[in-house]
Amino acid sequence: GAGVSQSPSNKVTEKGKDVELRCDPISGHTALYWYRQSLGQGLEFLIYFQGNSAPDKSGLPSDRFSAERTGGSVSTLTIQRTQQEDSAVYLCASREGGVNTGELFFGEGSRLTVL
Amino acid sequence: DAKTTQPPSMDCAEGRAANLPCNHSTISGNEYVYWYRQIHSQGPQYIIHGLKNNETNEMASLIITEDRKSSTLILPHATLRDTAVYYCTAYKLSFGAGTTVTVRA
Repeated sequence: GAGVSQSPSNKVTEKGKDVELRCDPISGHTALYWYRQSLGQGLEFLIYFQGNSAPDKSGLPSDRFSAERTGGSVSTLTIQRTQQEDSAVYLCASREGGVNTGELFFGEGSRLTVL
Repeated sequence: DAKTTQPPSMDCAEGRAANLPCNHSTISGNEYVYWYRQIHSQGPQYIIHGLKNNETNEMASLIITEDRKSSTLILPHATLRDTAVYYCTAYKLSFGAGTTVTVRA
């Protein structure tokens, strides 16, 4: 596709269940970011993938959160044993190269609601 | 942690220039300053970025101080559709809370 694609767009789950959120970046983009945006708040950095380098996981809030990027393309963010405070919009973004190589392209986000 | 700071909100009259400040006093020498905006319920949209020199594109102008500790985004002729949250970012592309800009008719 032409842009960053995220799925599902909306996910409602029960507390304690695991969820997976998917991001398809723009083809050829080597950098991929995950952010979390709680209601009325700014974007919270979660994790950053750059090519084949080890990901920067410094923003992951707990060990219940993990992410992988297979084949340098699609990425999955997994939240285990979801809690109500995990409810937020999870945004994925990609860019062509490293940090100083231009703009981020954002997807429309996956809205997670934990009941 | 190094981060950017912005005023939480700003009002602007339609047709007037909007000047949005950002403080990034601990930015390192090779880090660019980026500006994005987010209109309600949408993903953030890139506006402009720069390193040392002032930059201008079809959307806005970016003025970076000589010491690079702060910058200002200028929307030259604000319209109602410019109402959004504006984010300044530099450090590992971490975004703060941004500035909520409301353009009034």
